[in-house]
Amino acid sequence: NAGVMQNPRHLVRRRGQEARLRCSPMKGHSHVYWYRQLPEEGLKFMVYLQKENIIDESGMPKERFSAEFPKEGPSILRIQQVVRGDSAAYFCASSLDRGDSGNTIYFGEGSWLTVV
Amino acid sequence: DAKTTQPPSMDCAEGRAANLPCNHSTISGNEYVYWYRQIHSQGPQYIIHGLKNNETNEMASLIITEDRKSSTLILPHATLRDTAVYYCIVRPGTSGTYKYIFGTGTRLKVLA
Repeated sequence: NAGVMQNPRHLVRRRGQEARLRCSPMKGHSHVYWYRQLPEEGLKFMVYLQKENIIDESGMPKERFSAEFPKEGPSILRIQQVVRGDSAAYFCASSLDRGDSGNTIYFGEGSWLTVV
Repeated sequence: DAKTTQPPSMDCAEGRAANLPCNHSTISGNEYVYWYRQIHSQGPQYIIHGLKNNETNEMASLIITEDRKSSTLILPHATLRDTAVYYCIVRPGTSGTYKYIFGTGTRLKVLA
């Protein structure tokens, strides 16, 4: 897990507020992935981004969720008007390239969102 | 996407080898087998991966059968800190199929 930095590690939001989760990939990595893990469940793919591009957002809920990976700065996962069901661990991962050749993705330690 | 099947749980005595099986009978020729583990409340940790040949690193060994339909992750001398959920993932091949699809994994408990 070394190198992929996520913050905040823990975030508490009231229903209706916004949550912003940040992810800095490993040095030299230009591909970022976001996964969500609900309590006592497995990891679910949400979105895959390259710099300034969303490549695949097939796992993102249709509303309230958005992600970006700007040219400069970290990737941001934004959840608007949070509800209790959004309470989960959100994991970011990065890779050196798209990974078709077998390159590995590395995960961060996660951001734990609690909606009260 | 190739699916994987793993036993839901296993126990292993501390100091003994832990052998974690994974079936991936529908794997394609260009798909890799990856292993990750997740210790409670932490992010998934990469362990090892392979395509056809057996692989070994400082953490574990990966044995892939000749027909590639199954594999075994071996932790040679399990410690209490190896207690975790272990995920076997067959990573899809080319043409943009880069997503890792996580199953339910095997919950390994190392016993003192």
